[in-house]
Amino acid sequence: DVKVTQSSRYLVKRTGEKVFLECVQDMDHENMFWYRQDPGLGLRLIYFSYDVKMKEKGDIPEGYSVSREKKERFSLILESASTNQTSMYLCASRGRDTSTNEKLFFGSGTQLSVL
Amino acid sequence: AQRVTQPEKLLSVFKGAPVELKCNYSYSGSPELFWYVQYSRQRLQLLLRHISRESIKGFTADLNKGETSFHLKKPFAQEEDSAMYYCALSGFGTDKLIFGTGTRLQVFP
Repeated sequence: DVKVTQSSRYLVKRTGEKVFLECVQDMDHENMFWYRQDPGLGLRLIYFSYDVKMKEKGDIPEGYSVSREKKERFSLILESASTNQTSMYLCASRGRDTSTNEKLFFGSGTQLSVL
Repeated sequence: AQRVTQPEKLLSVFKGAPVELKCNYSYSGSPELFWYVQYSRQRLQLLLRHISRESIKGFTADLNKGETSFHLKKPFAQEEDSAMYYCALSGFGTDKLIFGTGTRLQVFP
């Protein structure tokens, strides 16, 4: 069974703090994604990575950066957290062969509150 | 540009009633369409994809390229269908998945 594990379920940080959200997958997937989920706005793609050290901006990358040093780990970084970054953050992974591996596997999410 | 539109934020029906969750998309190439579901306190999971033309938990969805729609349907709703439903689109052969804003389905007894 595919596991996508997010290190924290709940996180509370102060404005201006540097925040790291960690995600690990155990299926040797090439593609990994970070989304934020907000009521009424659905899931919005922040960044994704299609290989180690490779990354692409999603639809709302401002205020975020990412790191993919190892295939199994994809980190989301908030350089200076702000209150409008309070949200549920979802990590997901997907295999390279999209013709047979269409499933996007999600982590259980990290609810980040920035005070 | 890729876009997925789910016009209804909330859909409420009684048990046994038919359900249709609407999804429209815009994409210039060949899209792959999916429905994802999130039950209370569970992680988001794939419900069905248009390529496989399958029925999962009684739900079906047909890709209508003329109307650029991928509506999710079920003839008789059950209480356990209550959940958040997201329509998603991926360009064929690409890695990125774009989601709609979601529709919350409430099925009353």
